[in-house]
Amino acid sequence: NAGVTQTPKFQVLKTGQSMTLQCAQDMNHEYMSWYRQDPGMGLRLIHYSVGAGITDQGEVPNGYNVSRSTTEDFPLRLLSAAPSQTSVYFCASSYMEGLINEQYFGPGTRLTVT
Amino acid sequence: GESVGLHLPTLSVQEGDNSIINCAYSNSASDYFIWYKQESGKGPQFIIDIRSNMDKRQGQRVTVLLNKTVKHLSLQIAATQPGDSAVYFCAETLGDGTASKLTFGTGTRLQVTL
Repeated sequence: NAGVTQTPKFQVLKTGQSMTLQCAQDMNHEYMSWYRQDPGMGLRLIHYSVGAGITDQGEVPNGYNVSRSTTEDFPLRLLSAAPSQTSVYFCASSYMEGLINEQYFGPGTRLTVT
Repeated sequence: GESVGLHLPTLSVQEGDNSIINCAYSNSASDYFIWYKQESGKGPQFIIDIRSNMDKRQGQRVTVLLNKTVKHLSLQIAATQPGDSAVYFCAETLGDGTASKLTFGTGTRLQVTL
């Protein structure tokens, strides 16, 4: 199993540009989520999904869209990038939302918005 | 991607010594707690968890202590090794144990000196 994979590893955007951060898992996990990690702050939940076709907002959803058309993929879209979205983004997955101790994180995407 | 750690407190420990990393949690209603390890360039990794009906839980070389009276959690690492160098952070959630309700701490950087 490749586990949770994220692409790209690094990305630089100009303000106003859009892009999609990719996340995929090959463990047949129902639950997937996106976090951002900023200096001096803990991980904050952006969006999550409990299964294909179902998504919901987390703590900091503004400026981001998600979709879950397949079990394997959970892309995160930045519609119009802003400097405040400069961060490290982590995708995570688990078989069920309640299996926190079996939640696996991807290696992260470092995004810089200038 | 890199772990976000520019402003983190740092604990420096000599190889072979025991490490104690502390965490103050915020919500007195939280009853499930997790410790994560985040190595440079990687996503967080589950280490150990504890429920509020316990004061102590042991794993392999790690022990978590919970003091609900003062809302304090600690992670003890026995015989610290160079491979233990990482950022460690705690997370808390309420009784439904759902990942979407996790609140993460900011973390402590552990440096192991030879």
